[in-house]
Amino acid sequence: RKEVEQDPGPFNVPEGATVAFNCTYSNSASQSFFWYRQDCRKEPKLLMSVYSSGNEDGRFTAQLNRASQYISLLIRDSKLSDSATYLCVVNPRGNTPLVFGKGTRLSVIA
Amino acid sequence: SQTIHQWPATLVQPVGSPLSLECTVEGTSNPNLYWYRQAAGRGLQLLFYSIGIDQISSEVPQNLSASRPQDRQFILSSKKLLLSDSGFYLCAWRWGGSTGELFFGEGSRLTVL
Repeated sequence: RKEVEQDPGPFNVPEGATVAFNCTYSNSASQSFFWYRQDCRKEPKLLMSVYSSGNEDGRFTAQLNRASQYISLLIRDSKLSDSATYLCVVNPRGNTPLVFGKGTRLSVIA
Repeated sequence: SQTIHQWPATLVQPVGSPLSLECTVEGTSNPNLYWYRQAAGRGLQLLFYSIGIDQISSEVPQNLSASRPQDRQFILSSKKLLLSDSGFYLCAWRWGGSTGELFFGEGSRLTVL
């Protein structure tokens, strides 16, 4: 089983739609979790951290299910500018390097 | 505030030529530093990371090497490039001892011909 797995997509959705991405991780001892956004030919940028109780930032909601080793990202009211690749990222333990999923590509269509 | 710079942004090199990519971080001390590579249409592959000066961990055997001659400087090198070395190289930093997020430089796009 890969350390971090994501559906590669692409997800093609109309403006205003709600879209959800899922991610699973293999190491049950993983300590911290993140969603990054990467635009075409650009560096990844932190979208949001994922907390155990779930967290929301505007139109974006992240959730963590430790029992199922599952992370999700929900985007409401999609905008054209949300088109990007979304990377699920896990910190396996302590001060070890972060592990990146291969990303899920989203295209929001007018 | 903290900033990270890497250069050059773009380079085209012939097979067998040397490579040097440089990355510096400002506004922090003793950061953890990382080199990742992203091949076209692929995920991020960790190449090297460093928790301190002259302390380098290699994740993938290859013809690349990394050095950290100063606290906030991280260099990626190769003596002889291969076609398969083409890709998008990203330097990143994280607070030392942290379990927090990574901050990336703008990347260096390498094409080996």
